[in-house]
Amino acid sequence: KQEVTQIPAALSVPEGENLVLNCSFTDSAIYNLQWFRQDPGKGLTSLLLIQSSQREQTSGRLNASLDKSSGRSTLYIAASQPGDSATYLCAVSSINQAGTALIFGKGTTLSVSS
Amino acid sequence: DARVTQTPRDKVTEMGQEVTMRCQPILGHNTVFWYRQTMMQGLELLAYFRNRAPLDDSGMPKDRFSAEMPDATLATLKIQPSEPRDSAVYFCASGLTVNRDMNTEAFFGQGTRLTVV
Repeated sequence: KQEVTQIPAALSVPEGENLVLNCSFTDSAIYNLQWFRQDPGKGLTSLLLIQSSQREQTSGRLNASLDKSSGRSTLYIAASQPGDSATYLCAVSSINQAGTALIFGKGTTLSVSS
Repeated sequence: DARVTQTPRDKVTEMGQEVTMRCQPILGHNTVFWYRQTMMQGLELLAYFRNRAPLDDSGMPKDRFSAEMPDATLATLKIQPSEPRDSAVYFCASGLTVNRDMNTEAFFGQGTRLTVV
């Protein structure tokens, strides 16, 4: 059974700092990995999707990498801003799971202070 | 602006009552997911449809929960009878899966916050 772990559970940084969020998964047989952002009381916003054949994806100040063989992904946020404060969720679409539904980690809650 | 629409946004009900949550997927999307989010468990998959056919509902308590897609523009999640432990935020998500390409990017609605008292 696929399990997704995100470390740390919470992170506080001053504005302007570069930071890395970590995601690990137990079964490397995946279709893709997706990073989401969730603001309090809101839904999930898709940030980046990395297909299993890709090593990384970039969008603005965000860069996500995927090392399928080791079961790891990182989300790099450059020059963090207070508006980046949110919970970041990692999810994998597992080949061995019934269908291709996303299995989620419990998230990393980021707080960026001004 | 294409988005997944969920109704109601908030629902408070008494234990034992029937609850129906609705989801309008993004037009053209053929895959629909239902998730439940709690502080303790995080996001759990309840059910999942492709082209309106259920593919996986193993995460759903079958005795009280049911999920359907009456048509391509509507997905429903029902709880009957509801219990206090069902209190959570229920999310619907949709995506487009083409042929054998399983790389479905999921887009989430704003959720229905259910409180059962």
